[in-house]
Amino acid sequence: DTGVSQDPRHKITKRGQNVTFRCDPISEHNRLYWYRQTLGQGPEFLTYFQNEAQLEKSRLLSDRFSAERPKGSFSTLEIQRTEQGDSAMYLCASSPTSGTLDTQYFGPGTRLTVL
Amino acid sequence: AQSVTQLGSHVSVSEGALVLLRCNYSSSVPPYLFWYVQYPNQGLQLLLKYTSAATLVKGINGFEAEFKKSETSFHLTKPSAHMSDAAEYFCAVKGGGSNYKLTFGKGTLLTVNP
Repeated sequence: DTGVSQDPRHKITKRGQNVTFRCDPISEHNRLYWYRQTLGQGPEFLTYFQNEAQLEKSRLLSDRFSAERPKGSFSTLEIQRTEQGDSAMYLCASSPTSGTLDTQYFGPGTRLTVL
Repeated sequence: AQSVTQLGSHVSVSEGALVLLRCNYSSSVPPYLFWYVQYPNQGLQLLLKYTSAATLVKGINGFEAEFKKSETSFHLTKPSAHMSDAAEYFCAVKGGGSNYKLTFGKGTLLTVNP
């Protein structure tokens, strides 16, 4: 078990460019979550998947953001036409299905800097 | 709706001293509560979680937390701080029922002085 992995770890881009991040959850975890963490704040929920179905999206997830989880394995988070306000750490977490209490295990995050 | 308030954005203690990090929650349903630790440029690591089985919860690295419903609190403590405990600590509450998202506090940065 190698834990949750995210790629890339760091991304610097220019305003207006599109970026895509990847998350590989712990194998056999069927729930996957995306959070965003800005400087000095706690993580904020963006969206979550159960298998390949996207079940909840935060209002923080504007139309420029899209997340997918094809085949219920890895997930991608794409940001189109990036803005400076998108600069943040993007965290992915996964959890098994075990009743209503499922511990979320976090990856190392992708730090995005928009110039 | 759930919310978390962490009192004190920065706590400084001496090595060997008691660590106390405060967390108060608001929840419309019986809460599930968590403490996570984040080291610089890393993701979050689970310290402990409250599952309603016991009000005093023991976690990793000598940390523990006590759930007090009457005070809506879930404070994190450690009897004796170690230099390696220096990190940022986040309290989180999980939504009830089929709501799986975590709502985090703003975090408390713990520094440990030699």
